[in-house]
Amino acid sequence: GAGVSQSPSNKVTEKGKDVELRCDPISGHTALYWYRQSLGQGLEFLIYFQGNSAPDKSGLPSDRFSAERTGGSVSTLTIQRTQQEDSAVYLCAWRGVISGANVLTFGAGSRLTVL
Amino acid sequence: DAKTTQPTSMDCAEGRAANLPCNHSTISGNEYVYWCRQIHSQGPQYIIHGLKNNETNEMASLIITEDRKSSTLILPHATLRDTAVYYCIVRGPALQGAQKLVFGQGTRLTINP
Repeated sequence: GAGVSQSPSNKVTEKGKDVELRCDPISGHTALYWYRQSLGQGLEFLIYFQGNSAPDKSGLPSDRFSAERTGGSVSTLTIQRTQQEDSAVYLCAWRGVISGANVLTFGAGSRLTVL
Repeated sequence: DAKTTQPTSMDCAEGRAANLPCNHSTISGNEYVYWCRQIHSQGPQYIIHGLKNNETNEMASLIITEDRKSSTLILPHATLRDTAVYYCIVRGPALQGAQKLVFGQGTRLTINP
């Protein structure tokens, strides 16, 4: 989606390796979300950042998952010691104001495949 | 822990209005109702959101009942490209200033020619 860049678009990794997924939203966003979507499933909430508040990490499935947001903008989702069940599309979204209207914009996602 | 209930699937004829219902009976006074959709093999797309008043934009209209326990998304003239899964989401409770958006299973809307 316009205003949210995610990289890499595709990542294939071996079980046990660490991966980093990047989200680069438009500047001035209010809030940033990470979701993941397994094949044929709905969106699973992972983590949420807003302002200087402590992030809401309640959706992270295990301690192998972590995320940070640097400078209030770019966010990185890190998965350590990847497992096959981590295979999914990881989506980033930001909530903010465009032309005076509150909107929610999703990135195109990063497809992770763990072999 | 989605706070919304939607029909699993719906059909609508092309050119007709598609009315997608959503129940959110436990919504609290300061929670917004968001609607997004996901077309097959694409990322989710924001449609509209509202708090108390009905809202309209270039994509759709959102009708929220007076008691706010349910809402309806209206696509006034559905086209084949509107075939998608439609998600009704209530912005979650404030937690240390954070307000997450939790998706349910959504409604699979099929527009038929």
